[in-house]
Amino acid sequence: GAVVSQHPSWVICKSGTSVKIECRSLDFQATTMFWYRQFPKKSLMLMATSNEGSKATYEQGVEKDKFLINHASLTLSTLTVTSAHPEDSSFYICSASDFGKITYNEQFFGPGTRLTVL
Amino acid sequence: AQKVTQAQTEISVVEKEDVTLDCVYETRDTTYYLFWYKQPPSGELVFLIRRNSFDEQNEISGRYSWNFQKSTSSFNFTITASQVVDSAVYFCALTHYNQGGKLIFGQGTELSVKP
Repeated sequence: GAVVSQHPSWVICKSGTSVKIECRSLDFQATTMFWYRQFPKKSLMLMATSNEGSKATYEQGVEKDKFLINHASLTLSTLTVTSAHPEDSSFYICSASDFGKITYNEQFFGPGTRLTVL
Repeated sequence: AQKVTQAQTEISVVEKEDVTLDCVYETRDTTYYLFWYKQPPSGELVFLIRRNSFDEQNEISGRYSWNFQKSTSSFNFTITASQVVDSAVYFCALTHYNQGGKLIFGQGTELSVKP
């Protein structure tokens, strides 16, 4: 099956610093990648959709200047949390899809990154 | 409006019991896909099943079975003879044919299977 990796799996940082999370599709080319955020005991909330080579589309209420998304290649998307604050602490999950070449409308999820901002 | 509702927040059963997780969805589209995912304590989402709106056939995979009923907009998930390893949070999700794959997740049901 299709494999998606995320790095790092967990990160602790000081308030005010920026953190970059990588999402890679290891064995397929992902035309579309999604970024989700999950609070403890809560559901996944879609933050943004990114298509390779174009700007990400952010969901309502998600600050694009705070959560910078770059999808520079068909196998890599990055999420940068800029000037992180404790309220940004969360579990961030990416997913990737090629919409059509493997299975239509199926997303493959990464293992998630747990961010803790002190 | 598109919405997925999992009314059961937490369920606790004893090993070997059967358990059904409910999922009710709302959509105006005729072409859509429904999913179930398992999220164990490690956090990684595990894909369980995908169903398109034109396929109402129920499915069985080992101890897992799914009952899709368009008339009631439900896509329920049953685990037969539950095991401790089934303990996890289970999410039902919906996506539409022409929405670029955006998944709408339900709130999740936390299943605890006790020995």
